[in-house]
Amino acid sequence: SAVISQKPSRDICQRGTSLTIQCQVDSQVTMMFWYRQQPGQSLTLIATANQGSEATYESGFVIDKFPISRPNLTFSTLTVSNMSPEDSSIYLCSAWRLGGNEQFFGPGTRLTVL
Amino acid sequence: AQKVTQAQTEISVVEKEDVTLDCVYETRDTTYYLFWYKQPPSGELVFLIRRNSFDEQNEISGRYSWNFQKSTSSFNFTITASQVVDSAVYFCALSEAKDNDMRFGAGTRLTVKP
Repeated sequence: SAVISQKPSRDICQRGTSLTIQCQVDSQVTMMFWYRQQPGQSLTLIATANQGSEATYESGFVIDKFPISRPNLTFSTLTVSNMSPEDSSIYLCSAWRLGGNEQFFGPGTRLTVL
Repeated sequence: AQKVTQAQTEISVVEKEDVTLDCVYETRDTTYYLFWYKQPPSGELVFLIRRNSFDEQNEISGRYSWNFQKSTSSFNFTITASQVVDSAVYFCALSEAKDNDMRFGAGTRLTVKP
C-alpha cells in the first residue's frame, strides 16, 4: 500500500488569491490524480499528472485555473488560482502504482473561499 | 465514455438489518476495474474493494459482500447485520484500464440507526 499526505489540510482564503496544495506519496507511483469534491457531492476528476509531461485536464477544467506540477515520482502540486467562493471544496490527491490493486487517496484539503 | 450510477441517494436502516447498495456502470472497454469506497463523516476515503472485469466471482469480507454481474453491468454491495459505525457515504467507481483515472458515482448516504 501507499501513504499519501497533503498540505495544507484546510485553509480559508480570500477571493482572488491562489492556493497551492501539495501531495506527497511515500513511494514512487506512476500516475497521480487530482479530484475535487464539492460540498455534498461526489468526486470529480480535475486532471491526471504524470511525471515528465504536462497534466491532462478533464472537460471543464483548464490549466490557467488549476496549474499542476509533477516534478518527480512521489510529489505533485495543484494550484487553485484566482479563487472564488465556488472553488470551496475538498481537493484530493490520489495515486496509482503500476500493477497495484487500488488507487490510494490522500486525506484531502478542505478549502473555503470567502 | 464511462459512467457510474448509484440510484439510491440515501438509505436509512436500523442496526442489524441487512442493506444492499446498488451500482450500475457503463463502459465500452472490455478491461476495467470496479471499486467501492467508504467516506465516513471524518471525510477520508476508505478503500473497500477492487474487482477487475475478468473476475466475476463474488467476494465476501466479514459482513461485507459484493455481487458483480457483467450481464446487468452491476456491482452491488451488501452489508450484513449493519452497525452504527457503517454510517457513511459509499461510492462506487469505475476505472478503464487504458488510463486508470477513476469515475465515481454520486454516492449513497447510509445511515444506520441504533
